[in-house]
Amino acid sequence: AQKVTQAQTEISVVEKEDVTLDCVYETRDTTYYLFWYKQPPSGELVFLIRRNSFDEQNEISGRYSWNFQKSTSSFNFTITASQVVDSAVYFCALSEEGKKNRDDKIIFGKGTRLHILP
Amino acid sequence: EPEVTQTPSHQVTQMGQEVILRCVPISNHLYFYWYRQILGQKVEFLVSFYNNEISEKSEIFDDQFSVERPDGSNFTLKIRSTKLEDSAMYFCASSEAPPLSGGVEDTQYFGPGTRLTVL
Repeated sequence: AQKVTQAQTEISVVEKEDVTLDCVYETRDTTYYLFWYKQPPSGELVFLIRRNSFDEQNEISGRYSWNFQKSTSSFNFTITASQVVDSAVYFCALSEEGKKNRDDKIIFGKGTRLHILP
Repeated sequence: EPEVTQTPSHQVTQMGQEVILRCVPISNHLYFYWYRQILGQKVEFLVSFYNNEISEKSEIFDDQFSVERPDGSNFTLKIRSTKLEDSAMYFCASSEAPPLSGGVEDTQYFGPGTRLTVL
């Protein structure tokens, strides 16, 4: 079973529309982190946010917002008033506590390719 | 703002050749990582490195791979005898503190990647 599932492979929306990228995760650990990374066409990975498993507060940063719900194991990402520059692949990711009190690796989902059409 | 750098940005090599991918982590960071992304697929963890030794590695990181911190600034990934399936984007990352330390210092910051093409 996948640890991080991004069911939406590809999404296209028209500029200025709002769009939500879904992320569902699976872990048995009580301590973990969730992340979102952006990968623009140039290929680099841009860190967007990290969320601690003990902090379920939603977060807003400009046009970006994140909704973390432990009850549904989801960490969804919404872009409001989307812009063409938002076009990229977005990865949701998980870092678990693991057996030795921490796991070093970040486990990535398969990504959602977002196209913002002018 | 400090950032992780990687060289080269693109490396083309023949199958069976050795390649060394180089990374310069953020200067006060102590934890280093390599990830790879096969074209169009997800990013996968390869290895983490701390205190001059491997901390954790994935099943991808077999005997063909090795990592080294040859001096105070560089962190390298060596592939001894490249295979076609090693073609991928390789990302280096670094963090100030170990994962799940509880502060922002454990955030892993990624470099721009090296695209490796094995012919």
